[in-house]
Amino acid sequence: AQTVTQSQPEMSVQEAETVTLSCTYDTSESNYYLFWYKQPPSRQMILVIRQEAYKQQNATENRFSVNFQKAAKSFSLKISDSQLGDTAMYFCAFMKFGNEKLTFGTGTRLTIIP
Amino acid sequence: NAGVTQTPKFQVLKTGQSMTLQCAQDMNHEYMSWYRQDPGMGLRLIHYSVGAGITDQGEVPNGYNVSRSTTEDFPLRLLSAAPSQTSVYFCASSYLWTSGSGELFFGEGSRLTVL
Repeated sequence: AQTVTQSQPEMSVQEAETVTLSCTYDTSESNYYLFWYKQPPSRQMILVIRQEAYKQQNATENRFSVNFQKAAKSFSLKISDSQLGDTAMYFCAFMKFGNEKLTFGTGTRLTIIP
Repeated sequence: NAGVTQTPKFQVLKTGQSMTLQCAQDMNHEYMSWYRQDPGMGLRLIHYSVGAGITDQGEVPNGYNVSRSTTEDFPLRLLSAAPSQTSVYFCASSYLWTSGSGELFFGEGSRLTVL
């Protein structure tokens, strides 16, 4: 079974600064996907970024980028030029290749301070 | 686009009562699932389905029942509510991995309180 660990329950950062959220996972699979989902106070789950394990290049989406270290089983999310709208709970998630089921971490609550 | 629609958004039950959380999607997704979210525990999979007539258990299935008679609908039934089932419930859907990006589309969640 896969496990996903987010060791930072809460973080806060000043607006416009850069913040990195950590995620580690444990799996014996060689092919898989990793995701970061955002859950703002509205409770809606929103996909932030997605990484395929077979791709060496780190995924980027505008101000959001990941540092994917496959050997270390690490998948951190970097948010650049943070904005007030980035305040949310962030979940790291794992999906085995060939399977739709997501395994989530426990989340990191990020607060952007004006 | 409606996407994934869950009803009700809030519900209060007494211990022992039964209820059904409704979930409907209009994206023709084969895969549908139910998660519960509890503080400090992330989201945990309750039940899932890969198509009409096919359902299977997830990580925490006890006390819940599902069925999938159509592609669009995937209701979650609480048979005899217990305080331990107080949680926020999310329905999520996607294409099967062979034809999709792996992205799950979520409903807005249903907050259930069992007294």
